[in-house]
Amino acid sequence: GAVVSQHPSWVICKSGTSVKIECRSLDFQATTMFWYRQFPKQSLMLMATSNEGSKATYEQGVEKDKFLINHASLTLSTLTVTSAHPEDSSFYICSASGTSGSGDTQYFGPGTRLTVL
Amino acid sequence: GENVEQHPSTLSVQEGDSAVIKCTYSDSASNYFPWYKQELGKRPQLIIDIRSNVGEKKDQRIAVTLNKTAKHFSLHITETQPEDSAVYFCAASTSGTYKYIFGTGTRLKVLA
Repeated sequence: GAVVSQHPSWVICKSGTSVKIECRSLDFQATTMFWYRQFPKQSLMLMATSNEGSKATYEQGVEKDKFLINHASLTLSTLTVTSAHPEDSSFYICSASGTSGSGDTQYFGPGTRLTVL
Repeated sequence: GENVEQHPSTLSVQEGDSAVIKCTYSDSASNYFPWYKQELGKRPQLIIDIRSNVGEKKDQRIAVTLNKTAKHFSLHITETQPEDSAVYFCAASTSGTYKYIFGTGTRLKVLA
């Protein structure tokens, strides 16, 4: 139980284009989803928290107009990196918490490696 | 702001020895402390967690201890095996926010 999928697993795009990443909870309802960014050999940095049907709450320093988050259903959240630039290249990981296990536990997706040329 | 410090950043042990990783948190309202193991290029996997109403929890070779007064919590791995080699992250969370503050990670290497 508590499986979270993410798609795509990797993507390469040209500078200036937009990229959409999907995060799905497969066997439970995710009332809250989180988006993290992880640079090589570093910790996970929380970008934003989204509750189903509400606007996402962004962490300080994260541009909400650049990283668009949608959490339209209890099993799907999307992160769109708009006008991507090489400095946006990173490992993006989502997590979900909700009806599986305790409400506190976050279950992570496999991550999406974004490379912007 | 809220902060979680984690030590050491790297740790090498001989197979069969024990490994201990320590974390300190700043927010006294934190009440949930999970530990994750992350292998290279993969997702973090929950290995054990502890709540603030418990001082210690054990699951086979893995144990976690919590000292609320000192705001310290530690991960103990006994009889380490090469497959324990990975990066380990601690985190602290406050009930209601469900937001995690992660530590900086510990790269554990178990030498065969």
